Amino acid sequence: GENVEQHPSTLSVQEGDSAVIKCTYSDSASNYFPWYKQELGKRPQLIIDIRSNVGEKKDQRIAVTLNKTAKHFSLHITETQPEDSAVYFCAASRRGSARQLTFGSGTQLTVLP
Amino acid sequence: EAGVAQSPRYKIIEKRQSVAFWCNPISGHATLYWYQQILGQGPKLLIQFQNNGVVDDSQLPKDRFSAERLKGVDSTLKIQPAKLEDSAVYLCASSLAHGGDLTGELFFGEGSRLTVL
Repeated sequence: GENVEQHPSTLSVQEGDSAVIKCTYSDSASNYFPWYKQELGKRPQLIIDIRSNVGEKKDQRIAVTLNKTAKHFSLHITETQPEDSAVYFCAASRRGSARQLTFGSGTQLTVLP
Repeated sequence: EAGVAQSPRYKIIEKRQSVAFWCNPISGHATLYWYQQILGQGPKLLIQFQNNGVVDDSQLPKDRFSAERLKGVDSTLKIQPAKLEDSAVYLCASSLAHGGDLTGELFFGEGSRLTVL
């Protein structure tokens, strides 16, 4: 089955700096890669996703890049703000799996004012 | 649009007792998932339903866990008997996805936090 590894497990940045979180996946058939943000005690919420036919996707301060050859994808947050502090999870799913996601272990991002 | 509803939000039980969690997905969502999230880890899929049929339950510990989705809408997840290691947040999610290469986003409920003493 799919295995998703996520690094780092914790990340602290100064407000205004950029944050990068990296994930690798094992199943070359995976074709959908979402990122979820989970605030303490809250539900995970989708912030951005990318499909395997695209190398990069951007939404305001958030971007995701995908390298299919190396089987890794990354989340980039620019101009970080205190409200970006949360746990971020990457995930992967394969074609035909009815959006059956395998999640990474999470990154606790802390944005210091 | 109403979100995914789950209850109870919190439950504390003794080991070997039983517990049941309920989920009401977003209206019209064909696919429903139960995930287990242990503290400090990512969610792990337990079972996936499409309408009222099971798509995948390969990671469900069937000796103690059971789930059903009668009439293809609400779902219940039951644990009997509970073990200490079952302490976790049980997340229900739903999506419009109904097979193939899908575009439906996964929407999560707030979760049911189980503590087994």
